[in-house]
Amino acid sequence: ETGVTQTPRHLVMGMTNKKSLKCEQHLGHNAMYWYKQSAKKPLELMFVYNFKEQTENNSVPSRFSPECPNSSHLFLHLHTLQPEDSALYLCASSQPGLEDTQYFGPGTRLTVL
Amino acid sequence: RKEVEQDPGPFNVPEGATVAFNCTYSNSASQSFFWYRQDCRKEPKLLMSVYSSGNEDGRFTAQLNRASQYISLLIRDSKLSDSATYLCAVKWSRGTNNNDMRFGAGTRLTVKP
Repeated sequence: ETGVTQTPRHLVMGMTNKKSLKCEQHLGHNAMYWYKQSAKKPLELMFVYNFKEQTENNSVPSRFSPECPNSSHLFLHLHTLQPEDSALYLCASSQPGLEDTQYFGPGTRLTVL
Repeated sequence: RKEVEQDPGPFNVPEGATVAFNCTYSNSASQSFFWYRQDCRKEPKLLMSVYSSGNEDGRFTAQLNRASQYISLLIRDSKLSDSATYLCAVKWSRGTNNNDMRFGAGTRLTVKP
């Protein structure tokens, strides 16, 4: 399936590095999301964009910076991360409406050394 | 109380068994309910939505109990390929922002020969 793609699939970075995660959706949806998934924890919603506007920021540290240039693309810029930020970062998209089902990308597995 | 709560398991069942998972949610204003399946090191994929009257898709039956605030998933005639983590998801009602979802931590199922 290629509905939602994410790059890179794996990323190892040092605490002083700056990197970006990219997400692209080909489903014609108008909402996009970033989630963090750590081992044995629920998916944590980080950011929500509706029609390119950020509508939710769930108390995410400023070392994570999202960018949504259009409805199909979403970025997560990373800088000065901590080892506890190591996790699977999932992008999702949906079409706002009654059911609003979210479809996920394959994720980026991030390791911070 | 957690917003969405699931028994983490693991549930270890033989092939052909029937297994059921419950998921409780705390927000009585929740509007939509879903079950996702997540294979090891993969992204969550929508298994089925949960409708008020209950719904069935092959060997899978989902039910909603609004009074007790829980949803359930029943899997009949378990197959080896059903081994995965099952996540429940609940969409909150938040005024004009409909694009918010909370996930449980998942219930792990292993089906053995």
